[in-house]
Amino acid sequence: QVQLVESGGGVVQPGRSLRLSCAASGFTFTRYGMHWVRQVPGRGLEWVGVISYDGKVTHYGGALKGRFTISRDNSKNTLYLQMGSLRVEDTAVYYCAKEVREVAGPNVFDGWGQGTLVAVSS
Amino acid sequence: DIQLTQSPSYLSASVGDRVIITCRASQGLSSSLAWYQQKPGKAPKLLIYGASTLQTGVPSRFSGSGSGTEFTLTISSLQPEDFATYWCQHHNGYPLTFGPGTKVDIK
Repeated sequence: QVQLVESGGGVVQPGRSLRLSCAASGFTFTRYGMHWVRQVPGRGLEWVGVISYDGKVTHYGGALKGRFTISRDNSKNTLYLQMGSLRVEDTAVYYCAKEVREVAGPNVFDGWGQGTLVAVSS
Repeated sequence: DIQLTQSPSYLSASVGDRVIITCRASQGLSSSLAWYQQKPGKAPKLLIYGASTLQTGVPSRFSGSGSGTEFTLTISSLQPEDFATYWCQHHNGYPLTFGPGTKVDIK
């Protein structure tokens, strides 16, 4: 079955960078668009961004203002989120999520990781 | 960006109750709206997308309806495992956005 395992979270100082990874298994990773979604503990969900199945197209949430970059390595079945110039308000659980249909399906998520907590604090 | 609102933000209900949650959008979505269920400490679970398409494996007591700017999620007979927070999300282009959530609690 679909398995998504995030890693790379932790405590980081404001202004620093951090890279999250999401290891995928149980489905044909190379056929699915992949997303990052974040959630401040006890609060709402915020879409971070998406990368197309082939890695050629990305889109991001407007609040990120170019600080985050999504990439993927289809040879390793792994999704990445490079976060730069981190702010206290970036503190959240970060989930990777798989689209429900191959290639160009609707942008809804039928597979989620367990999440990794990023805490930005001095 | 498309803004989504949900009502109510909180509801208290009993097992067996019929529950209706509404999601309204700041602009027309056609049928591009999804619903998720989230339990504490867990990732969200997809229930419905395309306003009314039930995700595989989701019980038939869940149903969705609506189009344009107003959508509803209905739970026909609330079960103990349905106590959770419910989120709507539009999938009508980028950026994607989520509603603020509806917490369904035990009366």
